[in-house]
Parts: sequence; structure tokens; C-alpha cells
Amino acid sequence: GNSVTQMEGPVTLSEEAFLTINCTYTATGYPSLFWYVQYPGEGLQLLLKATKADDKGSNKGFEATYRKETTSFHLEKGSVQVSDSAVYFCALSGRNFNKFYFGSGTKLNVKP
Amino acid sequence: DTEVTQTPKHLVMGMTNKKSLKCEQHMGHRAMYWYKQKAKKPPELMFVYSYEKLSINESVPSRFSPECPNSSLLNLHLHALQPEDSALYLCASSHQDQGNQPQHFGDGTRLSIL
Repeated sequence: GNSVTQMEGPVTLSEEAFLTINCTYTATGYPSLFWYVQYPGEGLQLLLKATKADDKGSNKGFEATYRKETTSFHLEKGSVQVSDSAVYFCALSGRNFNKFYFGSGTKLNVKP
Repeated sequence: DTEVTQTPKHLVMGMTNKKSLKCEQHMGHRAMYWYKQKAKKPPELMFVYSYEKLSINESVPSRFSPECPNSSLLNLHLHALQPEDSALYLCASSHQDQGNQPQHFGDGTRLSIL
């Protein structure tokens, strides 16, 4: 079956630190992978996506590479800002149907 | 600004009330979704509509009744809810219901059951 595992949070960093949030998956077939961000009191916003192996998704300084050999899609950012404080969800969808499987979410706190 | 609009933003209701949540999108998407999200948890899928027809019901209790009047609108009718139904209800849409499509979420309706 399909599932997503994310690293436990919260992750607390100082401003300008390097960020990595780990995400691994199990899936049948060839899923698409997504990162979403949720700010307090809001819905989920699509951050980036990758639809096939070795694709790199990027947006707003965040990057993630679809690694089929390690079944991973780790989120990285070189220099975080206080405004990046939020909950980050990794998700996958199967090829045949757009049902999403979400990870448990990782809360990021960035201190000035 | 989100392209999926949900109303109301907040709703407080008693266990005997009947109310409806509304969701609207004008992106031409043909798949729409309802999710329930409890605090500090990921969203849980409730229903999927594809081309205005219900395609997935994730064994949701009948006190939740979805409706898709047209391709832009999605409603969730609520009746005789329980306190454990208090949560953030999120609507989402995607271009189609086939895989690889990112889902676009609204900001949700925060529901409290007294």
C-alpha cells in the first residue's frame, strides 16, 4: 500500500540556518510527490512537487528531489527565515487516482 | 489569496442543528474533495467528487452529507453531529481525479460542536 513517513517535530532553528525535513514513502507503482505548507489558521498551500524519479521540485528557496532508489523526498532550504515557521506535510498520490497520502506533518519553528 | 473559497470560516453548532459548509472554485477543476483535519494531525480524506459525481466516500458517517450542485460548488451538509466532529474542514480541488494532480486547498471552516 501507499504511505508516507516524516521526521518527528518540532524542528527549531535559528534564522539563516540550513533546513532538512526528511520524508520517505512506500508506494505501488510510480507516485507523484508533493510538499505542502500550512500556516496557523490557514489551509494547505502547495510548496513544490515532483512527478517522476530524479525530478527536483523547487519554490521560494525550498527544494526536494524525488529519489526512487532511497524512496525519499527530503525538503531542504539553505537559509530559513522566521516567516518559514509553519507545519510542513509530505504527500504522495498514485498514478491512477488522485487520492493523497499525507505524512504526519513536521512543525518548524524559526527563531530570530 | 487562496483560489478555493470556503464559507463560513467559523461555525459553532449544537448537536441537534442542521448546517452546511460551502466551497467554491473557479479554476475549471473537475475533481473536488472534502477533508477533516484535527489539531496537529494531517488532513483525512472524507469524500471525492469527480465530474460532479461522488467517486469516493471514505466510510464517513451519514450525519455528513456531501453535495456537488455544479462543477464549481461543493457543499457539506451537517446534521446531528457529535462533539468529536469538531475539527477544521478543508475543501480542495484538482484539475482531474487522475494521479499527479496537485490539490489546491481552501482555508477551511473551523467547526465547533457544543
